[in-house]
Amino acid sequence: EAQVTQNPRYLITVTGKKLTVTCSQNMNHEYMSWYRQDPGLGLRQIYYSMNVEVTDKGDVPEGYKVSRKEKRNFPLILESPSPNQTSLYFCASSGWRKETQYFGPGTRLLVL
Amino acid sequence: AQSVTQLDSQVPVFEEAPVELRCNYSSSVSVYLFWYVQYPNQGLQLLLKYLSGSTLVKGINGFEAEFNKSQTSFHLRKPSVHISDTAEYFCAVSDGQGGSEKLVFGKGTKLTVNP
Repeated sequence: EAQVTQNPRYLITVTGKKLTVTCSQNMNHEYMSWYRQDPGLGLRQIYYSMNVEVTDKGDVPEGYKVSRKEKRNFPLILESPSPNQTSLYFCASSGWRKETQYFGPGTRLLVL
Repeated sequence: AQSVTQLDSQVPVFEEAPVELRCNYSSSVSVYLFWYVQYPNQGLQLLLKYLSGSTLVKGINGFEAEFNKSQTSFHLRKPSVHISDTAEYFCAVSDGQGGSEKLVFGKGTKLTVNP
């Protein structure tokens, strides 16, 4: 089954404690992306990747890091989380930006 | 940079009534346009997309949208809604040729279908 998986689905952490949210797709897609969703703000793109070792900033990259060492994986790293990073995070992938993006189920993060 | 405006944050309608969810985008030479739907506690899934060609695009679940270049709009319509259409709907745009690889989303419109 074609899918995008994210782990963990729910996470409560404390300020400053480094965390990683994993994202994996099994569709051999080149394009992968991370978004955060906040009430009243819609989805905002954090980072995206066109292919292995190719990443670029989206609209809200501050406080986040990503890497793309393998085509299927695109982890999101919060080196020092802060409460303003409390949000719902989605990973997505597609063959190219003009194609349908397939979204993961989301990761709900609470930073205390 | 591209931007998307969804003119209504909430749209309440009665079952079997028609609905239009409005979306305007900032102008560009060419664009790709998308509508995604998010059901409660779920991720997003594609409803329909416009890449080129016919300006009337049909999607899943009876939805359609019309690309209007002169008005920079991509409004979503359904002639008769069901309770199960209650969800949040997002319009998104990306540059059609070259330019930024970003996909920009609107803030969403919550559609509530009442019996």
